[in-house]
Amino acid sequence: KQEVTQIPAALSVPEGENLVLNCSFTDSAIYNLQWFRQDPGKGLTSLLLIQSSQREQTSGRLNASLDKSSGRSTLYIAASQPGDSATYLCAVRPPSGTYKYIFGTGTRLKVLA
Amino acid sequence: DADVTQTPRNRITKTGKRIMLECSQTKGHDRMYWYRQDPGLGLRLIYYSFDVKDINKGEISDGYSVSRQAQAKFSLSLESAIPNQTALYFCATSEGQETQYFGPGTRLLVL
Repeated sequence: KQEVTQIPAALSVPEGENLVLNCSFTDSAIYNLQWFRQDPGKGLTSLLLIQSSQREQTSGRLNASLDKSSGRSTLYIAASQPGDSATYLCAVRPPSGTYKYIFGTGTRLKVLA
Repeated sequence: DADVTQTPRNRITKTGKRIMLECSQTKGHDRMYWYRQDPGLGLRLIYYSFDVKDINKGEISDGYSVSRQAQAKFSLSLESAIPNQTALYFCATSEGQETQYFGPGTRLLVL
């Protein structure tokens, strides 16, 4: 059974710092992996989606990497800002035939001004 | 306007009551999902639907039912609410196997 873990559960950093959020999964057979941002009262917003054949995806100050063999993904945030404060969730989709994402419990990030 | 809307946004109900949570989308996606989120457990899939005639149970469907009234509408019902169904409920949509788009959530409290 696929399990997704995110450590740490919470993180506080000063503004301007580069940071890495971690996501690990137990079964390397995945279709894709997605990083979401969750803000209170606003649901989840997709940040980056990495297909199983890809190693990384970039969007602005965000870079997500995927290492299937080790069951790991990282989300790198450059030059963090207070507006980056949110909970970040990763989710993996098992191989085709299922259409269900399995979510981690998230990392709650606070960027201090 | 938001692409995925949920009503109500907050709801307090009593044990044993039947309630319905509604979801509408304007993205034209064929696939719709209902999740619940609990502290420390992440999001878990309740039901999903690939089109109006296709409904599938997720990992925690007991105590819930759904209705796909149209491509754009997917409702979740709690037939007889119980306190451990207190949670944050999210509806999501997707086109094929790509990105899921989430609604703002419904916060449900069952007393």
